Amino acid sequence: GAVVSQHPSRVICKSGTSVKIECRSLDFQATTMFWYRQFPKQSLMLMATSNEGSKATYEQGVEKDKFLINHASLTLSTLTVTSAHPEDSSFYICSARGARTEAFFGQGTRLTVV
Amino acid sequence: LAKTTQPISMDSYEGQEVNITCSHNNIATNDYITWYQQFPSQGPRFIIQGYKTKVTNEVASLFIPADRKSSTLSLPRVSLSDTAVYYCLVGASNYGQNFVFGPGTRLSVLP
Repeated sequence: GAVVSQHPSRVICKSGTSVKIECRSLDFQATTMFWYRQFPKQSLMLMATSNEGSKATYEQGVEKDKFLINHASLTLSTLTVTSAHPEDSSFYICSARGARTEAFFGQGTRLTVV
Repeated sequence: LAKTTQPISMDSYEGQEVNITCSHNNIATNDYITWYQQFPSQGPRFIIQGYKTKVTNEVASLFIPADRKSSTLSLPRVSLSDTAVYYCLVGASNYGQNFVFGPGTRLSVLP
């Protein structure tokens, strides 16, 4: 299957700082990228969907000013958690979809805010 | 978006065939059915996708009846390493449609 690389795999940051997570499609062009967060023992919760060159569409209850998503190219999307707080600690996962109908997922990023 | 319903958990033994059924009563005409596997602290891994009838690949089979209101993921001869959460997703293939995850099925394979 296609490869989606997510970086970093884990990050610890201080409360009030911002953290950027990158998601790259390595061997295909991703017209659509999705960002999820997942709490322990729970399912993935869709945060936002972004199409290349367009503004991201956020799910209800997700603050667009706190979770900044940029999808500037067909192979890269970034999620920036601004002014992170301990309650933002979670497992963040990106996925990408191109011409094929299935989406492929990154390895996930474990964010811990202290 | 079509909502999906799966069993919350299943137990099996090594070497057995496991069938996980997903209900999606309001599936739309252009919706595909996709199954993913997730291990702890990893992103989901694509298993199989289908639209109708039967699809088979090197790891699983997907059975979809004519009315497409349900689907069954079949894992032949499971091993301990197949212990994971399995998600059934239903969504359209056209540009801009998103994938929403249900609670998934936690499969435990016992020795």
